[in-house]
This record gives sequence, C-alpha cells and structure tokens, in this order.
Amino acid sequence: GEDVEQSLFLSVREGDSSVINCTYTDSSSTYLYWYKQEPGAGLQLLTYIFSNMDMKQDQRLTVLLNKKDKHLSLRIADTQTGDSAIYFCAERDDKIIFGKGTRLHILP
Amino acid sequence: DGGITQSPKYLFRKEGQNVTLSCEQNLNHDAMYWYRQDPGQGLRLIYYSQIVNDFQKGDIAEGYSVSREKKESFPLTVTSAQKNPTAFYLCASSMRSRLSTNEKLFFGSGTQLSVL
Repeated sequence: GEDVEQSLFLSVREGDSSVINCTYTDSSSTYLYWYKQEPGAGLQLLTYIFSNMDMKQDQRLTVLLNKKDKHLSLRIADTQTGDSAIYFCAERDDKIIFGKGTRLHILP
Repeated sequence: DGGITQSPKYLFRKEGQNVTLSCEQNLNHDAMYWYRQDPGQGLRLIYYSQIVNDFQKGDIAEGYSVSREKKESFPLTVTSAQKNPTAFYLCASSMRSRLSTNEKLFFGSGTQLSVL
C-alpha cells in the first residue's frame, strides 16, 4: 500500500544546512509536499514539487526529487532557531498521505 | 483575514461522554478534513468531506462522527465508543480538486483532547 517514510529526529548546528529525507512508495504520485509544524500548532505548507521536476528552490529551501528512487529531500540553508519544528513529507495521488514527521532540533 | 479556526484549544472528556470539536473556515473551500495526531504517529485521517451534505470515512473513523450541513463548518464528535481519544486533532481544508492535481491543505491550529 501507499507509505511515506521519514527519520524521526535530526539535530543540526545553527548556521549549518539541514537535510530532511523522505521516501515514498506510490510511483503514481503527482505532487509531493513539505509541511512544517511548530509546537502546539497546525501544519503549514512550506513548499511542493510536481513529479516531473527534479529540483525546486525557494529562498533558503531546496527540494530535490529522485523519482526513480522515490526519494524526496528538503534542504534548509543557514538553519536558524526558528526552523526548529516537525517537518512532514506528503505525497498526493488520489489522496494526500503524510509521513510521521521529522523533528528538527537546532544546536547552538 | 481568511483562515480556518478550531475551537476549543483544549478539551477534556469524561468517561462515557461525547464531545464535539469545532472547525470553521472562511476560505470558501469545498473540501474539509479531520486528522488525528499522536506522538510519533504522524497524521491519520478520520473523516473528510468534499462537498456539503456529503462525507466519507478515513482510515480511523470508528468512534467518531461528523456532519457537513454548511460549507464553512465541519464539526467532529468524539463519541464514547472511542476508547482512546487522547490526541491532538487537526482540521484542514482545501479547494476541491480533481484527482492528481495540486491540492494544498490549510490547517487549523488544533484541539488537544484529554480524558479525565
């Protein structure tokens, strides 16, 4: 069945780049998303990529898609304390499937 | 400002009691969703509605009920049949879209339900 996998935790030093990885199983996914959740809040759409693209850049965020390996990554350049949150990968075919989220912890 | 509002922020349920979580949106979105979030479990879909007066079960609908009498509102009732209701509940909405098109979800700020 459909599944989206992410590692649960990532620690990064302030100022370094963060790379959050995600794998998915549904080869017919058309759109892939990254959502951010801050403590006690709802999810906020960060960025998305269409399945026929392999890269999308938006300011400090870079999304890379390897469709052959069904691998999606989110790179956050110059990580700041405000980037501390849970990041959810999601895929869309007939419905949206979320991963379990990666908690990004920023080290001083 | 357009947005999606959930209330209350915190809710306590006594054993055997039904409780209702409110979700209202003024984004003119057709589709609305309810998710349950448990630590380390990600989001699981409870119910969704793509149009007024119609809704479908998600992956974990047992012990929950919904209604969609108005486009703006999609309340979720947690019934006494739900034996483990403690969780963070998230409501979301989106423009109704055809299959395989871009669908961006807008989320409310969530309701934390706890059992007394």
